[in-house]
Amino acid sequence: AQSVTQLDSHVSVSEGTPVLLRCNYSSSYSPSLFWYVQHPNKGLQLLLKYTSAATLVKGINGFEAEFKKSETSFHLTKPSAHMSDAAEYFCVVSAAGFQKLVFGTGTRLLVSP
Amino acid sequence: DTEVTQTPKHLVMGMTNKKSLKCEQHMGHRAMYWYKQKAKKPPELMFVYSYEKLSINESVPSRFSPECPNSSLLNLHLHALQPEDSALYLCASSQEAGAQPQHFGDGTRLSIL
Repeated sequence: AQSVTQLDSHVSVSEGTPVLLRCNYSSSYSPSLFWYVQHPNKGLQLLLKYTSAATLVKGINGFEAEFKKSETSFHLTKPSAHMSDAAEYFCVVSAAGFQKLVFGTGTRLLVSP
Repeated sequence: DTEVTQTPKHLVMGMTNKKSLKCEQHMGHRAMYWYKQKAKKPPELMFVYSYEKLSINESVPSRFSPECPNSSLLNLHLHALQPEDSALYLCASSQEAGAQPQHFGDGTRLSIL
């Protein structure tokens, strides 16, 4: 079985400050982990993916995430938030042999000037 | 611009109407998906097609009927929908069905009167 817990439903930051969106996962198999972003009235865009290679994964738009097996975590970070980062972020888990993605409940990132 | 194209972007229909949602990708992906997304919720998987064959139906009511005419196209036929079916319908594709990143379209916003 697989599951994902996004620990914060909302995160508020000021422009130019760091972003941390937290995600814990559970998987009986070697997981593949993804972060997606969804802007209003848009589809989901892949930010980054972990598939058992390097544990520190760099994505688009300055985001990165670190896979920590001992903590079963895959937190998303960015050094400096931009206004355009305001959106909904989903942490997602899957595993080889599974056709489904398992989504977290999402974290809404709010960025103030 | 997304590589998965969905039409129409918006659709308003009555409960007795028949309509279809269309999805197209030209990335050579062999797996395609339909999701339903309600406001402030993660996407919910409806159907998975792998190599043009239906491989997963998540107990979706028969008023939703998927079709995969070829490897690039995916349709969702709608008939006798209910007001609770109003949602954003997302199409996605991936290289194979499995633990791989999915590419999403921008969705069709469906409203049932």
